Amino acid sequence: GENVEQHPSTLSVQEGDSAVIKCTYSDSASNYFPWYKQELGKRPQLIIDIRSNVGEKKDQRIAVTLNKTAKHFSLHITETQPEDSAVYFCAAWMDSSYKLIFGSGTRLLVRP
Amino acid sequence: DAGITQSPRHKVTETGTPVTLRCHQTENHRYMYWYRQDPGHGLRLIHYSYGVKDTDKGEVSDGYSVSRSKTEDFLLTLESATSSQTSVYFCAISRLADNQETQYFGPGTRLLVL
Repeated sequence: GENVEQHPSTLSVQEGDSAVIKCTYSDSASNYFPWYKQELGKRPQLIIDIRSNVGEKKDQRIAVTLNKTAKHFSLHITETQPEDSAVYFCAAWMDSSYKLIFGSGTRLLVRP
Repeated sequence: DAGITQSPRHKVTETGTPVTLRCHQTENHRYMYWYRQDPGHGLRLIHYSYGVKDTDKGEVSDGYSVSRSKTEDFLLTLESATSSQTSVYFCAISRLADNQETQYFGPGTRLLVL
């Protein structure tokens, strides 16, 4: 069935270091991959997304890469700051059913 | 925030009582979703709607029903609440941008079933 696996479940980095979160999806028909950031007690917020016709997308310190052949995509955060501490969710869009399938989340802690 | 509101924002209820959560949107989006979020389980889809009176089940629909009699309102009902339904419930809408549907979430409802 439709599934998105996300790793690691927790990630602790020193301020200024880079953080990488990886996701793998099962449905080869998926063509859109958003990333959400959720701060404690808040709603998930869309931070970046990528479509299947693009291999990489950047927005300041955040980048996402996609490998359609391997069916995996990754979130890269450079020069991490304490305010990057949050839970991050990847997701894959199912065009056939108009649903997003979410990964289980990564708790990122940036140590000052 | 995509014009989404949820009510109530917090609720405490007792096992066996019915509970209805409301999601309201102001931008006339066709697709609306209900998720629950629990520690260790991420976001799980309960039900979704693709139009007035058109709904479908998600992965954790048992014990829940939904209704959408108007485009702007999507109601989630727990027919007889159980402690396992204690959770944070998020509503979401899907907005079309650059020929791609993108989901945005409401502020959430914290439900405690005693």
